[in-house]
Amino acid sequence: DGGITQSPKYLFRKEGQNVTLSCEQNLNHDAMYWYRQDPGQGLRLIYYSQIVNDFQKGDIAEGYSVSREKKESFPLTVTSAQKNPTAFYLCASSPRTGDYYGYTFGSGTRLTVV
Amino acid sequence: GENVEQHPSTLSVQEGDSAVIKCTYSDSASNYFPWYKQELGKRPQLIIDIRSNVGEKKDQRIAVTLNKTAKHFSLHITETQPEDSAVYFCAGGSGKFYFGSGTKLNVKP
Repeated sequence: DGGITQSPKYLFRKEGQNVTLSCEQNLNHDAMYWYRQDPGQGLRLIYYSQIVNDFQKGDIAEGYSVSREKKESFPLTVTSAQKNPTAFYLCASSPRTGDYYGYTFGSGTRLTVV
Repeated sequence: GENVEQHPSTLSVQEGDSAVIKCTYSDSASNYFPWYKQELGKRPQLIIDIRSNVGEKKDQRIAVTLNKTAKHFSLHITETQPEDSAVYFCAGGSGKFYFGSGTKLNVKP
């Protein structure tokens, strides 16, 4: 999947449940990002990480949590505090932040609340 | 933070015509502006990008222009083909990017 893999492709969450979305890259990229995409809208930044064991909140971090214990992995947990989690979630990576590098995106996870 | 606005939200052109999508940004510190194409249900793919020290860049039928003074940049697609139909996103920033709301381009055969 172009070096960055997201799983699962589809995920269903019950009310009050936490779920974790996986994102793995083998591109040796330092920076990784999570975006949320709602129908007819652009991508909104949830969290990003520039280096292992460090991450920063984006514009819509409330109700989400992340970890970056390994360079290759940047999982996103959607907690029960996120009131409207149904969306398409995209993970991306880039060689590093602050330089002229575009993102490589994963294929996305579509999360639905049931 | 940065605010990127994109127009139009939908664009319909006849095959062979040109298409232009425009974006504005607010943060003068933004120094890199990529454009992405997203087909239905798929991941966004980088199609062209431009750095803040360049005014124009071209790649076959696709070109991007940047006006730093006015803080706007545009995507130009010439000789459009049906396979150009998709949603196009502009983005801007320095490291992390802020995305426009997208333009759904429909190229009619």
